[in-house]
Order: sequence, then C-alpha cells, then structure tokens
Amino acid sequence: TQLLEQSPQFLSIQEGENLTVYCNSSSVFSSLQWYRQEPGEGPVLLVTVVTGGEVKKLKRLTFQFGDARKDSSLHITAAQPGDTGLYLCAGDSFYFGTGTSLTVIP
Amino acid sequence: DAGVIQSPRHEVTEMGQEVTLRCKPISGHNSLFWYRQTMMRGLELLIYFNNNVPIDDSGMPEDRFSAKMPNASFSTLKIQPSEPRDSAVYFCASSHRDGGYTFGSGTRLTVV
Repeated sequence: TQLLEQSPQFLSIQEGENLTVYCNSSSVFSSLQWYRQEPGEGPVLLVTVVTGGEVKKLKRLTFQFGDARKDSSLHITAAQPGDTGLYLCAGDSFYFGTGTSLTVIP
Repeated sequence: DAGVIQSPRHEVTEMGQEVTLRCKPISGHNSLFWYRQTMMRGLELLIYFNNNVPIDDSGMPEDRFSAKMPNASFSTLKIQPSEPRDSAVYFCASSHRDGGYTFGSGTRLTVV
C-alpha cells in the first residue's frame, strides 16, 4: 500500500530556477523525513520534521510539515545541477513516497 | 564510520538459484531494515529488526524470502528459489532509536 503520494513525479528545470515538490497522505504521521537519492546509491537523509507547521531550512532547501501532519513540501531556491536526484519523503521513517525525479539543467 | 555496508553490489543469477544478500549496519545502531526498490513500486519495506529481533516481516513477499540477524553487526536476506520478478535493488538501512535511516549503497539483483 502506497501511503504517500509525491508530485510532480518528474521535474526538469533550468539552473537558477525555484521549485517546490509535494508529499501528501491521508494518514497522520508523527514525523516525516526527506531523502535525496543519486543514481547507484542509497537514499541520504536530508531532514526530519516532527511538529505540525514546522519549517526547517538547509541552505537553499526549505522543508515544511503541514499543520495536520499529513503533508509536507520541499522548496528549492536557485536550483543547481548538484540538486539533481530523486527526492523521497517518508512517513514515520517506514513508509516511503513515490518520489520526485529532479533534473537541473546547467 | 564506514556507513552501512552491503554485499555484493551486483548479483546476476539464474532463475531457481539461491541468492544471499549481506548487510553490516553502523555500529551502535539498534534497528535494521531491508527494502526493495523498483521503478513500478518504489521503495518497499520488507522486514525490520530491533535489537536483532525481527519485529515486522509483513512486507516479505513470499515464503521464498527469509531474513536473519544473528548478531548486531550482520544481517542476511535470502531468496530461495529466485525468480525473474525478484529483480530489483535491495537496500539495507540502519538507525538509532527514532532517528532517520542510513542506507547502504544497495545490491542490484538480476534474475535471468
């Protein structure tokens, strides 16, 4: 059962542009994680959010946990080619979303 | 820290053969997870251990799949007999308490 839906599924943008990806569920989670996965490697943890409405920043990446703790968003400012990868959200660490594949074109 | 270590990185085997995937978690992490990743189904949790004890194996697809964790530093995932539909990337991850996971680099399994 896929509990977390991510959108968009694929995203291709030019270097310097901003973007937002979404992670939505009908379930409430105690915590939500965001990972980035590069080809041939395992996912790497970016952030964990635990409080409804919480906002965390990691350099050019801004993560927000929905007030009801059912959804989350990831906003990237001034995307760079190094941001290219598969972005995955996970609810309570166990349940992974479908992923957003991001390509940043130089 | 060397991180989570998985072996082999790639495995090609014939249908019907036994396959064993290996994982060494990060020292001090008390939870270990096996995931399978495919294009169609994404990352699926197969089984997880807490303090070497299997807690939830509801994600194991069939009786052909089995996992063991004989000690805190080693786990195996075995498929016997293997089938072409088992082809996927298998990841092992470990974590400490309620922290996020640290994943290994995965084993790409191809069953022909």
